Amino acid sequence: KAGVTQTPRYLIKTRGQQVTLSCSPISGHRSVSWYQQTPGQGLQFLFEYFSETQRNKGNFPGRFSGRQFSNSRSEMNVSTLELGDSALYLCASSFSGGAIYEQYFGPGTRLTVT
Amino acid sequence: AQSVAQPEDQVNVAEGNPLTVKCTYSVSGNPYLFWYVQYPNRGLQFLLKYITGDNLVKGSYGFEAEFNKSQTSFHLKKPSALVSDSALYFCAVRALQTGANNLFFGTGTRLTVIP
Repeated sequence: KAGVTQTPRYLIKTRGQQVTLSCSPISGHRSVSWYQQTPGQGLQFLFEYFSETQRNKGNFPGRFSGRQFSNSRSEMNVSTLELGDSALYLCASSFSGGAIYEQYFGPGTRLTVT
Repeated sequence: AQSVAQPEDQVNVAEGNPLTVKCTYSVSGNPYLFWYVQYPNRGLQFLLKYITGDNLVKGSYGFEAEFNKSQTSFHLKKPSALVSDSALYFCAVRALQTGANNLFFGTGTRLTVIP
């Protein structure tokens, strides 16, 4: 079974631009979560989608948004990029929304904002 | 609120020796605890989880973890370390809200296994 895939793997953007990252979950997984990883803040939860609905959201500004499609693929968008948005963005999928299910992570998208 | 703490930023161990990576947690109610490992330029790989039941949980690559409720700990262990175990290890706890699926991660412990 294929793992979680994320595209693109690397991205360089300029401050003020916007960016869209894509995530394809493991087949059969309906829950997709997004995390931001930085050296200073560590791993922080952005949001979770389940059956095309945002079910939970972390403490990030409204510039960060996401969506999920009917095939469970998910995208996240960051508008008006800031230098501090430079990070590794990780997508994770799980079978269901139940707390007992582990999340499987993709390789991440490395975003650099200049 | 829920959180985990990994008190050691760095752990060094000689190849063949047992290793321990420490994690303590703070939650209201029963915890769901997880260990993940991250290799350079890679995402996180699931190692093991504790949901309920036996306090000793066995996971991938020979790792195991012991849940200790009285000490609110969930330390990761391996009887004999390999050089290939060198990586960044994260402990995580699950949020308790109904249906919520997000993990709260510790700050990570960098394990270096010395040949």
